[in-house]
Amino acid sequence: DTEVTQTPKHLVMGMTNKKSLKCEQHMGHRAMYWYKQKAKKPPELMFVYSYEKLSINESVPSRFSPECPNSSLLNLHLHALQPEDSALYLCASSPLPAGGSDEQYFGPGTRLTVT
Amino acid sequence: AQKITQTQPGMFVQEKEAVTLDCTYDTSDPSYGLFWYKQPSSGEMIFLIYQGSYDQQNATEGRYSLNFQKARKSANLVISASQLGDSAMYFCAMRGTAAGNKLTFGGGTRVLVKP
Repeated sequence: DTEVTQTPKHLVMGMTNKKSLKCEQHMGHRAMYWYKQKAKKPPELMFVYSYEKLSINESVPSRFSPECPNSSLLNLHLHALQPEDSALYLCASSPLPAGGSDEQYFGPGTRLTVT
Repeated sequence: AQKITQTQPGMFVQEKEAVTLDCTYDTSDPSYGLFWYKQPSSGEMIFLIYQGSYDQQNATEGRYSLNFQKARKSANLVISASQLGDSAMYFCAMRGTAAGNKLTFGGGTRVLVKP
């Protein structure tokens, strides 16, 4: 199973809502990532989890809260988002947190619209 | 700091012809990895090919090959015998220890294959 799954595929939420994005992989990977991608732009790294611990936070606003309940799951909790947070949110995983030829395997993304 | 530059925002290619996508990079790391990803309109990022900075030979994966010129700091992707399904956005990316082994993406090149 070489797949990263993400749910939901699409999400529309109001600025006062609380929602969560979910990411799952069963490849035994020990690093998981959240990226944000605006239209016609490259992905921007948000968070990295290494061995289920948060290792990198790219100065992301606190209205985004990541969580890694176990080695296969990664969540992104959303609260009080702004319209400019509308984007494609991509999850990725890699065998190890760093180095070598380990490519990151990406999920299909969640298209988020904040109204 | 590491930087990736893709100078071609978009290009057309005739079906069955080859196409070269340009990628130049800048880093102070002696050891780094270069990746190419494909992103169709559906959103998922698909890993295509990897080149390590110490690899003596250019990487190849099926119809994809990487023209690595270390002295010129370029890592161009060559797609041979283009197919309609190759129409997508293509991102060059780099990972090195100087940036905490984070993946840094170029701005992307949109390829449209014409029948």
